[in-house]
Amino acid sequence: AQKITQTQPGMFVQEKEAVTLDCTYDTSDPSYGLFWYKQPSSGEMIFLIYQGSYDQQNATEGRYSLNFQKARKSANLVISASQLGDSAMYFCAMREGGDSGYALNFGKGTSLLVTP
Amino acid sequence: DAGVIQSPRHEVTEMGQEVTLRCKPISGHDYLFWYRQTMMRGLELLIYFNNNVPIDDSGMPEDRFSAKMPNASFSTLKIQPSEPRDSAVYFCASSHGLAGSQETQYFGPGTRLLVL
Repeated sequence: AQKITQTQPGMFVQEKEAVTLDCTYDTSDPSYGLFWYKQPSSGEMIFLIYQGSYDQQNATEGRYSLNFQKARKSANLVISASQLGDSAMYFCAMREGGDSGYALNFGKGTSLLVTP
Repeated sequence: DAGVIQSPRHEVTEMGQEVTLRCKPISGHDYLFWYRQTMMRGLELLIYFNNNVPIDDSGMPEDRFSAKMPNASFSTLKIQPSEPRDSAVYFCASSHGLAGSQETQYFGPGTRLLVL
């Protein structure tokens, strides 16, 4: 079963606008971590933001924020004031603990294109 | 601080040849992960180490793949013999620990492997 679902293969947003990239996850583990990574066309994986399952507040890092809705098992990434350099693939990932080990399970990604 | 370092960045080889990929994790990080990225399968974990000891190698595709971590600052992923279906981008990642934001995995630039 898919652990991480990203339903938007591609998204467009105009420069300076905000955009939300969707991510839902599936786990029965009470302790888990959620991550977003950015992969530009150059190929590297750049860490953006982290949310722990016990964190009470939504994570924020500069223009990135994570809309964490635990009951709905969603962890959407919000990028405010989009820039042309934000054009990239975005991956949502989850780490489950315990017997599942500590590997990251990645979604299939969302391709974001920021237009002038 | 230097990030995760991988070498080579690109590798082209012929089927049947041995391929060795190298990784230097971030200094002080206790966990090292090897991932593979393909269009068909996305990002998948191959193996990870804790304090130089392999913890989970269930993602290693077959006996042709082997990984070692002889010390805290160096790991190798070897494919022998290589096959065209091994063509992919291989990422190494490291993390400091498993609690809270310390579990964030930081990725190297990747090695693009092409097996002809």
